[in-house]
Amino acid sequence: EAEVAQSPRYKITEKSQAVAFWCDPISGHATLYWYRQILGQGPELLVQFQDESVVDDSQLPKDRFSAERLKGVDSTLKIQPAELGDSAMYLCASSLSGKYNEQFFGPGTRLTVL
Amino acid sequence: TQLLEQSPQFLSIQEGENLTVYCNSSSVFSSLQWYRQEPGEGPVLLVTVVTGGEVKKLKRLTFQFGDARKDSSLHITAAQPGDTGLYLCAGDDNFNKFYFGSGTKLNVKP
Repeated sequence: EAEVAQSPRYKITEKSQAVAFWCDPISGHATLYWYRQILGQGPELLVQFQDESVVDDSQLPKDRFSAERLKGVDSTLKIQPAELGDSAMYLCASSLSGKYNEQFFGPGTRLTVL
Repeated sequence: TQLLEQSPQFLSIQEGENLTVYCNSSSVFSSLQWYRQEPGEGPVLLVTVVTGGEVKKLKRLTFQFGDARKDSSLHITAAQPGDTGLYLCAGDDNFNKFYFGSGTKLNVKP
């Protein structure tokens, strides 16, 4: 069964360090999403890609966060420098573009900033 | 902003009880998804509803999409401890963008 892959699963870093997360969507899924989720709450969209283009990054803190999907397949989300408030679960999801869409999530990366 | 409100936020029940979770919005969605998420894991898609008034059943879970496609409910019959988790609804605005509710945290005690 096709799945969204994410790595690492867990990341502990110190404040002001750089961190990077990787996501490989389900094959053939043109749309890729990065979400941030605070424990017990719903995911909040950080950035949405259609193929290699950014469709929505209005909620991405661009002074410290960056995201790319260079070949329209896998994607990387980077934080530099990390702050204490960045501690959260970072989720990647993908979907086909069609009449109605279903979004499938990866297992997430749990980030702890000390 | 298209907001989805879920209720209740927390639910703690005994095994065997029935429960209903609600997902409401003032916006119309082209489809609505329900997910279950366990601690430390990503959300798992349970169902997608696309037609106003649609009812889908998944074993003990019954999902309904409102006639106006603005709200949805999830009903669980005879809850089991394995149903414990965070239940999330998400609406699709027909432009590949999903809006999530704040979640309902369900705890089923044996």
